[in-house]
Amino acid sequence: AQSVAQPEDQVNVAEGNPLTVKCTYSVSGNPYLFWYVQYPNRGLQFLLKYITGDNLVKGSYGFEAEFNKSQTSFHLKKPSALVSDSALYFCAVRGMNTGFQKLVFGTGTRLLVSP
Amino acid sequence: GAGVSQSPRYKVAKRGQDVALRCDPISGHVSLFWYQQALGQGPEFLTYFQNEAQLDKSGLPSDRFFAERPEGSVSTLKIQRTQQEDSAVYLCASSFPASTSTYEQYFGPGTRLTVT
Repeated sequence: AQSVAQPEDQVNVAEGNPLTVKCTYSVSGNPYLFWYVQYPNRGLQFLLKYITGDNLVKGSYGFEAEFNKSQTSFHLKKPSALVSDSALYFCAVRGMNTGFQKLVFGTGTRLLVSP
Repeated sequence: GAGVSQSPRYKVAKRGQDVALRCDPISGHVSLFWYQQALGQGPEFLTYFQNEAQLDKSGLPSDRFFAERPEGSVSTLKIQRTQQEDSAVYLCASSFPASTSTYEQYFGPGTRLTVT
């Protein structure tokens, strides 16, 4: 079975500082990994994905994520946080097996960026 | 262009009532998904359509939940005899290719269902 763990319920960071939101996964075979962001009363917005290739993936709004197969991790990062980055962040995984179309999400990490 | 739209955005139902939630996917998107997001949790998969075919309904929590997509575009999620535990945000997502493993899903704003 596929699963994702986001060990931190909340991450606090000061504006201008680097941020990291952690994600570890469990899946049979090679994973497809995704990060989504959710603002209040809005749906999920796609940030970035890892499918194959370079372990460092760049996405929207200056975010990037590093895939680490040995640690089964896919942490989200940004070099300099903005107050507007404050939101709920979800990591998700999908296995490669045919028919496994659904995304399996973590429980989410709330990011609070203080001015 | 237009994204995924859902209606109504908010629905209050009395326990035991039936509800119908609508999803309009992005035009031309073949794949459509429904997810349920309880308060403070991540979305959980309910069901998946490829065009009009419902290929996976393994996440539907009970036989009170039913989804359809008769013409391969608009989808409706129906919940019969609603219970308080059905209170959640119901998210719809769509994706273009039939083989969706590597492609991201585009989500609608959700319908917040409150059962009183």
